[in-house]
Amino acid sequence: EVQVVEFGGGLVQPGGSLRLSCATSGFTFSQYWMTWVRQVPGKGLEWVANINQDGSEKYHVDSVKGRFTISRDNAKNLLYLQMDSLRVEDTANYYCARVTPKSKFDPWGQGTLVTVSS
Amino acid sequence: DIVMTQTPLSLSVTPGQPASISCKSSQSLLHTDGKTYFYWYLQKPGQSPQLLIYEISNRFSGVPDRFSGSGSGTDFTLKISRVEAEDVGIYYCMQSIQLPWTFGLGTKVEIK
Repeated sequence: EVQVVEFGGGLVQPGGSLRLSCATSGFTFSQYWMTWVRQVPGKGLEWVANINQDGSEKYHVDSVKGRFTISRDNAKNLLYLQMDSLRVEDTANYYCARVTPKSKFDPWGQGTLVTVSS
Repeated sequence: DIVMTQTPLSLSVTPGQPASISCKSSQSLLHTDGKTYFYWYLQKPGQSPQLLIYEISNRFSGVPDRFSGSGSGTDFTLKISRVEAEDVGIYYCMQSIQLPWTFGLGTKVEIK
């Protein structure tokens, strides 16, 4: 079964850092782009970042550029999102998803909640 | 950024009746490769989003044929031919022709 599972969320103070991880299984991780999408509780979806198969291409939404970094470890089948200089407005549920050919997001994980608050 | 505008923002439907959701993009989603990078996702209550439709009209694996997508360029429509109780949730359109990839605000579908 193809699966992605996020972890690493939690409560952090403004200005702090957190690293999210996404464990994958059931597919050849190194052959797929991966993505992070976030959702403020009760609100809509916002694409955050993409990374290509070998990590040589990375794209981030402007609101997180310079603060968040997507990365991956193909040997461990893990996707990461390093989040620095966190702001209250970064509070959200963070989902990882596999990007299949034709840019389809499937599957999505269950999400990990990041709360930025003092 | 490409803005995705969904209408309506909410919909209350009698089971067995049809439903329709519109999504308009601020720029054409037709790529030079001939593909249109437009998608519909459904987020059921308490769940993660799931892919319904890709490239305007292609149903994803396991999606019932009561769901259909249509449109071109900047105007797209998702239709449910006969709404069932399991179809409740928030439907999002999305584009991936241009970074940043963007979603519509969502359309909440409820059962009457």
